[in-house]
Amino acid sequence: EVQLVESGGGLVKPGGSLRLSCAASGFTFSRYSMSWVRQAPGKGLEWVSSISSSSTYIYHADSVKGRFTISRDNAKNSLYLQMNSLRAEDTAVYYCARSPWELLFHFDLWGRGTLVTVSS
Amino acid sequence: DIQVTQSPSTLSASVGDRVTIICRASQSISSWLAWYQQKPGKAPKLLIYKASSLESGVPSRFGGSGSGTEFTLTISSLQPDDFATYYCQHYSGYSPSFGQGTRVEIK
Repeated sequence: EVQLVESGGGLVKPGGSLRLSCAASGFTFSRYSMSWVRQAPGKGLEWVSSISSSSTYIYHADSVKGRFTISRDNAKNSLYLQMNSLRAEDTAVYYCARSPWELLFHFDLWGRGTLVTVSS
Repeated sequence: DIQVTQSPSTLSASVGDRVTIICRASQSISSWLAWYQQKPGKAPKLLIYKASSLESGVPSRFGGSGSGTEFTLTISSLQPDDFATYYCQHYSGYSPSFGQGTRVEIK
């Protein structure tokens, strides 16, 4: 089955760190650009970060630049998001998403999401 | 950065109605626009890409049009399963962004 499964979410204090993972299966992960998209409770969708198939190109939203780092391990079919210096406004469901074409960041496959809560 | 703005924010309609949602970009994005449907507690689902291309498996009652700065999503005959929130998203360049969403409610 073609799917993405996120993990690593949880409750963290402001200023803390968390690492999200996304496990891909059912398709050739190494051929696709991948991204993280988040959704704060009751709010809309916000693009966070994207990475090309071979990790050559990496992009981050201004709201997370310098704090979050996207990476991938094609041998493990996995995508990651290292989140440092977390703030209350980072509280959201974080989705892993696949782009059907390299470097065209729209998303044809999504995971179910993992909830990150930043609170003291 | 390019911003996309949707209207209306909320839409009340009945089963069988024709529904149109508008998305405007702050500058030309050619046809680099996608539409998604999201139901409560679920991940978004891609409906339309490149402004007017229907994603595989999506019912033909969904249609997209437009180019440049103005785009529309049309549902030709609203079905019970279509009550949801819809988002447009531009992907021109390497800083994509989403519209604020349009909630389609039962009238």
